[in-house]
Amino acid sequence: AQKVTQAQTEISVVEKEDVTLDCVYETRDTTYYLFWYKQPPSGELVFLIRRNSFDEQNEISGRYSWNFQKSTSSFNFTITASQVVDSAVYFCALSEGDTDKLIFGTGTRLQVFP
Amino acid sequence: DAGVTQSPTHLIKTRGQQVTLRCSPKSGHDTVSWYQQALGQGPQFIFQYYEEEERQRGNFPDRFSGHQFPNYSSELNVNALLLGDSALYLCASSPGTGGYTFGSGTRLTVV
Repeated sequence: AQKVTQAQTEISVVEKEDVTLDCVYETRDTTYYLFWYKQPPSGELVFLIRRNSFDEQNEISGRYSWNFQKSTSSFNFTITASQVVDSAVYFCALSEGDTDKLIFGTGTRLQVFP
Repeated sequence: DAGVTQSPTHLIKTRGQQVTLRCSPKSGHDTVSWYQQALGQGPQFIFQYYEEEERQRGNFPDRFSGHQFPNYSSELNVNALLLGDSALYLCASSPGTGGYTFGSGTRLTVV
C-alpha cells in the first residue's frame, strides 16, 4: 500500500535557524515520484521539487535542500537560514509510476519567528 | 500567464443540497485532478479527467462526480451534501507528464 508519513505535526524555529522536515514513504513500486509542496495561508499548493525513484542525488536550490535515501524510504527537506516567509504547511507526496494520483502526508506546519 | 483558476473561492451550503465547483486549468495543460483537503489534513485525491473522460478515481462515493469540457476546464459536483464534505477543494492541472499546478481552492462549508 502507498503511504506517506510526516511525523512532525508542527515545528517552531527562530529566524536564521536551519530546519529539517522529515518524510517517510511506503510503496511496492520500483518506479515512483516524490514531491514537496508548500501551502501558505492562501491555500494554494506551491510546487517545490519532484524526484524520481531512480535519482538518489541530493539536490540544493538556494536555501532549500533535499535528501533522498531509498534505503530508509525517506525524502527529507532542509531549509537553511530560515526566514519568516518560510512559515507555511509543507506536504510531502508520492505518486507511483503508473498513476498521476498524488498521495499526500498530513503535513508539517512550520512557524518561523523573527 | 494565468495559473489554475477556481471558483467560487468560498461557498456555504446546507446539508442535502448540491454544489458545483469550477476549475480552469493552466494554459497548455490538458489534465485536471481534484482533491479534497479537510482541515488539518493532507489533500485526498478525488478523480482525474483527461480528454473529457474520468481516468482515475480515488475512494470517494458516487455523490462526487465531475466533468471536463473541450476547453479542458472542469467541474466538480457533489450531491446530497453532508457535514463531512466541508473542506478545501483543490484543482490541479498538468500537461500530462506530471508537474502539477494547483489552484487556491474553493472553501466549502456545509451547515
